[in-house]
Amino acid sequence: EAEVAQSPRYKITEKSQAVAFWCDPISGHATLYWYRQILGQGPELLVQFQDESVVDDSQLPKDRFSAERLKGVDSTLKIQPAELGDSAMYLCASSLSGNEQFFGPGTRLTVL
Amino acid sequence: GESVGLHLPTLSVQEGDNSIINCAYSNSASDYFIWYKQESGKGPQFIIDIRSNMDKRQGQRVTVLLNKTVKHLSLQIAATQPGDSAVYFCAENPGGYQKVTFGTGTKLQVIP
Repeated sequence: EAEVAQSPRYKITEKSQAVAFWCDPISGHATLYWYRQILGQGPELLVQFQDESVVDDSQLPKDRFSAERLKGVDSTLKIQPAELGDSAMYLCASSLSGNEQFFGPGTRLTVL
Repeated sequence: GESVGLHLPTLSVQEGDNSIINCAYSNSASDYFIWYKQESGKGPQFIIDIRSNMDKRQGQRVTVLLNKTVKHLSLQIAATQPGDSAVYFCAENPGGYQKVTFGTGTKLQVIP
């Protein structure tokens, strides 16, 4: 069964360092999403891609966060510099039609 | 602002009983709703969805009910099993490639 892949699964970093997360969506899914999920809360959309184009990045803290999907397939989310408040689960999802989203296992980030 | 929320943060049920998880939404323009299950340390998993032109949809052991009059959504799980223990999120999709909004989640605990 096709799945969304994410790496790393866990990342521990010190504040002010740079971190990067990678996502490989289900093959053929044009829409890719990055979410941030704080423990006990629902996922919050950070950025949405349609192919290689950003559709929505209104909730992305652009002073420190960046996301790219250069070839319209896999994607990278970067944080530089990381802050204590960035500790969370970072989820990637993909969708074929913009409705049902398939989520990856997430990357658990801890900033010390 | 528009929001999707849940009435109960934690629900404990006896194994074999039926579970009902509720969700209130406020965006009357939403036309697509999804229930996700999230187990500890994993990404959300699609359970069932429903469009606004329906008031009930059934899956395997799960039923989603939509009451547009009072903007209420519920997930019913029949014969709850220990494997159903997880956090359940309702999500609201205005349609197409617009942003999905997640509620804060209800934790379902199944008592053996």
